[in-house]
Amino acid sequence: DGGITQSPKYLFRKEGQNVTLSCEQNLNHDAMYWYRQDPGQGLRLIYYSQIVNDFQKGDIAEGYSVSREKKESFPLTVTSAQKNPTAFYLCASSTRTGGNYEQYFGPGTRLTVT
Amino acid sequence: ILNVEQSPQSLHVQEGDSTNFTCSFPSSNFYALHWYRWETAKSPEALFVMTLNGDEKKKGRISATLNTKEGYSYLYIKGSQPEDSATYLCARGGPGGYNKLIFGAGTRLAVHP
Repeated sequence: DGGITQSPKYLFRKEGQNVTLSCEQNLNHDAMYWYRQDPGQGLRLIYYSQIVNDFQKGDIAEGYSVSREKKESFPLTVTSAQKNPTAFYLCASSTRTGGNYEQYFGPGTRLTVT
Repeated sequence: ILNVEQSPQSLHVQEGDSTNFTCSFPSSNFYALHWYRWETAKSPEALFVMTLNGDEKKKGRISATLNTKEGYSYLYIKGSQPEDSATYLCARGGPGGYNKLIFGAGTRLAVHP
């Protein structure tokens, strides 16, 4: 089965701790993305990667970091510098970059920081 | 950031009703318009990607139209079924060579038997 996996489904952390969210795809896609969803808002882009060893900031990158060491993996670290980390996080991928390529999404991770 | 607006925010219909909702977006520098369906506890999945003014796409009972000059797209569901219950997201493909999407907040559809 080809697709995108995210783990864990639910994550709880104490304030001040860094936490890493996993995203793996076996679709052989070049491009990968991280989005954040908050109630009543559209998905907002945190970071994206067009190719291995390359990534770019999205619209709300402050307090987050990523790496892209392998084509199939794009982990997101939520650092203690992120002011409001509690949210639902979605990972996505697409065949290649270009606004007319559909994105394939993972099931998401709900992060709660207290 | 270019705002994408969706209306209504939520919608309740009876099984068998036909329904439609709207996605509005800035028309300048248009590149692409995406529709996704997001069922509860599942991943969003792509319905349509449209690029040309006047484009119409259909998948089963669901269809979409695109007007890039005035900046809107309609999604239609004919004869709604309970399995159509989901949040429908639209997203505007950004300018530039990368696939940056700006999403609306979605329309939540509930189809009652």
